[in-house]
Amino acid sequence: SYELTQPPSVSVSPGQTARITCSGDALPKQYVYWYQQKPGQAPVLVIYKDSERPSGIPERFSGSSSGTTVTLTISGVQAEDEADYYCQSADSSSTWVFGGGTKLTVL
Amino acid sequence: QVQLVQSGAEVKKPGASVKVSCKASGYTFTSYYMHWVRQAPGQGLEWMGIINPSTGSTSYAQKFQGRVTMTRDTSTNTVYMELSSLRSEDTAVYYCARKAAAGNEFDYWGQGTLVTVFS
Repeated sequence: SYELTQPPSVSVSPGQTARITCSGDALPKQYVYWYQQKPGQAPVLVIYKDSERPSGIPERFSGSSSGTTVTLTISGVQAEDEADYYCQSADSSSTWVFGGGTKLTVL
Repeated sequence: QVQLVQSGAEVKKPGASVKVSCKASGYTFTSYYMHWVRQAPGQGLEWMGIINPSTGSTSYAQKFQGRVTMTRDTSTNTVYMELSSLRSEDTAVYYCARKAAAGNEFDYWGQGTLVTVFS
């Protein structure tokens, strides 16, 4: 079955750049979407189609893709960015899948 | 504005069934597919399946085939997710999430419904 792999955790200091990766064999053919989830809240879409930012999402959130790896980059990390981040994709047989999630800690 | 409002928390015994509702407002209900996603305590997100509110057609994750049923009521703009033969591992927050019109992302989410399976 289709799998997406994320690092369990990433830590950065305020003002630094955080990079969270998502790897999967099918990613060159499928878009990836990123969600931010804070404790006790529903996920929020922060990036769609690998690199597009929904309205209302700060410009410090960006996405990029290279081969089988997609990267969520948060520039100038703020304390409020501390959260769990999930990548998501869909395969050709209309099955949706999430990565395991990455906990971003702002030191 | 788009809103997805889910039913309240449930406590069930092993072997029972649970039915969670998700009432949509602020958009044309039949124009957007709806997903169900769950999250066990301290765990990640898990996709369960999708329903087309216009036709009622469904597609379920293989893991839940035979145990999950997704339905809709177009008169009340509500989708439902019923999970049967509950076990302790089904304890989780269950979310409905709208599929974006043109892409495969989940653009709006319900607030979540906690289902606790407890003997």
